[in-house]
Parts: sequence; structure tokens; C-alpha cells
Amino acid sequence: GNSVTQMEGPVTLSEEAFLTINCTYTATGYPSLFWYVQYPGEGLQLLLKATKADDKGSNKGFEATYRKETTSFHLEKGSVQVSDSAVYFCALKGFQKLVFGTGTRLLVSP
Amino acid sequence: DTAVSQTPKYLVTQMGNDKSIKCEQNLGHDTMYWYKQDSKKFLKIMFSYNNKELIINETVPNRFSPKSPDKAHLNLHINSLELGDSAVYFCASSQSPNPYNEQFFGPGTRLTVL
Repeated sequence: GNSVTQMEGPVTLSEEAFLTINCTYTATGYPSLFWYVQYPGEGLQLLLKATKADDKGSNKGFEATYRKETTSFHLEKGSVQVSDSAVYFCALKGFQKLVFGTGTRLLVSP
Repeated sequence: DTAVSQTPKYLVTQMGNDKSIKCEQNLGHDTMYWYKQDSKKFLKIMFSYNNKELIINETVPNRFSPKSPDKAHLNLHINSLELGDSAVYFCASSQSPNPYNEQFFGPGTRLTVL
């Protein structure tokens, strides 16, 4: 079945540091890939998405590229802020079902 | 103008009780979902309805029964609550089950079973 593997957290960075959160997937067919963010005490919000190979999703300075050859969708940001502290979920969607990774907590200190 | 809303936000109850969580979306979407997030933040789909018909039913105890009175509502009823049911439950909706469609999530309902 479909599955998503994310790096374990927490990831602890200082403000303005470079961020990478790794995500790899296993899927049949041609899934769409997503990054969701969950701020403390809130629900999930879509951060970015990519629907086919080589697509790059981007939003709020975050980027991720759909790499079919390495089955990866790593999340990157050039300069993180304290307000980026949250839990980040990589997810894939085949027909009907959204499958999430285990989430990676990001902690950014001033 | 909340897109996906859930009530209640917090629910504390005793083992053995029956409780319901309500979800409503005003996005005009055809598809709605229930997810469970455990204490380690792991998110897993429980059910999905498309046009009021059940299309996804994961391995969930039959104490959990979803009900969709119309496309805009998907309620979750839980019988004989157990300690292990304590979690945050998220409702979501999307335009259709199509993989390209974004899912919009509600704020969650934190259920605590004592």
C-alpha cells in the first residue's frame, strides 16, 4: 500500500538557518504530494503541493520538488523564522485517500 | 466565514459513555473525511464520504459510526467510549476524491476519556 516516511524530529534551528525536512514515499500509480503544517493548538493547513513529477510546490518561502526517480518530496526553506515553529506533515494522495507521514516538529529559537 | 467547523472543540467524558462530534463545511465540497490524531501526532484516516455515500472505511471499531445527513455535514458518533479513544479528531473536506484536490481541515476536537 501507499506510505510516507519522514525524518524524526524534533528539528531544532536558530532563526535564519536553512531548513530541510526529508520525506520519501512508496506508492502505486501517480499520487499527488503535499506538505501540511500544524501550528500549536490548531488544525492542519496545506503548505504546498505538487501533482506530478518534477513539479515544485512553493509557499511562504518553503519549497519542495516532486522527485519520481528518488521517490522524495523534501521540504526546504532558506531562512526560518521563530513563527515557523510547528509540526510539518508530508502526505500523498492516490485515489481517495490521503496518507500522512508521522510528522516532524520544528523548533526555531531566536 | 469558517470553511470547516467542528463542535465541540473539547470533549471530556467517562469510559462507557456515548458521544458525538459534529462537522460542517461551507465550501460546497462533495467529499468529507474523519481523521484521528494520536498523542504522538500520528494522523490516520478513519472514514470518507462522497455525496453522502461511504467510500473509505478503514479498520475502525464498529463503535464508531459516521453519519452524513447531507453533503455539508459529516458527524461522528462513538459508542461505549474507551480510554484508547482519547485523541484529537479532525474533520476535513475536498471538492472530490480526486488526488489533485486539496483537503481542508477543521480545527479539531480533543476527546479525553477518563
